[in-house]
Amino acid sequence: SQTIHQWPATLVQPVGSPLSLECTVEGTSNPNLYWYRQAAGRGLQLLFYSVGIGQISSEVPQNLSASRPQDRQFILSSKKLLLSDSGFYLCAWSPGGYQYFGPGTRLLVL
Amino acid sequence: DQQVKQNSPSLSVQEGRISILNCDYTNSMFDYFLWYKKYPAEGPTFLISISSIKDKNEDGRFTVFLNKSAKHLSLHIVPSQPGDSAVYFCAVVTGTASKLTFGTGTRLQVTL
Repeated sequence: SQTIHQWPATLVQPVGSPLSLECTVEGTSNPNLYWYRQAAGRGLQLLFYSVGIGQISSEVPQNLSASRPQDRQFILSSKKLLLSDSGFYLCAWSPGGYQYFGPGTRLLVL
Repeated sequence: DQQVKQNSPSLSVQEGRISILNCDYTNSMFDYFLWYKKYPAEGPTFLISISSIKDKNEDGRFTVFLNKSAKHLSLHIVPSQPGDSAVYFCAVVTGTASKLTFGTGTRLQVTL
């Protein structure tokens, strides 16, 4: 069966520090991968998606970037965090059709 | 401009009664719709979906209705249970790569 992992579960970072969140999927190959953010009291906003290794599409301009160095690995990064980057970050994968979400990472930028 | 809207941020229903969660969308070309359930500090879990060739899909206590002319879908939960208390998001498949656009969510509270 397929599983999706995200780490860390919680992260507190100072403004201006770098960020790296990792997402891995097991039990499938060549999935579509996605990064979402849920800000406090808001819905889920799609940040990036990837249909293959090295292929990244950005949905909204922002302070973040994404990379897919391996088929089942998706990384969300920032060189310098802003206060507005705080939120709940979710990784998801899809074989086509609906998406399966990871457990999420809560990021607090102080 | 929001393509998917959930106009009720919260809903309170008594246990055993029906919960009805609503969702409106703007683009008549959308053809696949989903509902997700989310508990605090967890990822959303898929509940039920419907394609535009149907107007109803049922799975146990959950039924989704689609009204294409009104660009409206609703999720019915009957009977509601305390464990159903969560935030419910509707979503539509938009564009390529199975991208989803989500509504802002409705927080359902099922009371005893």
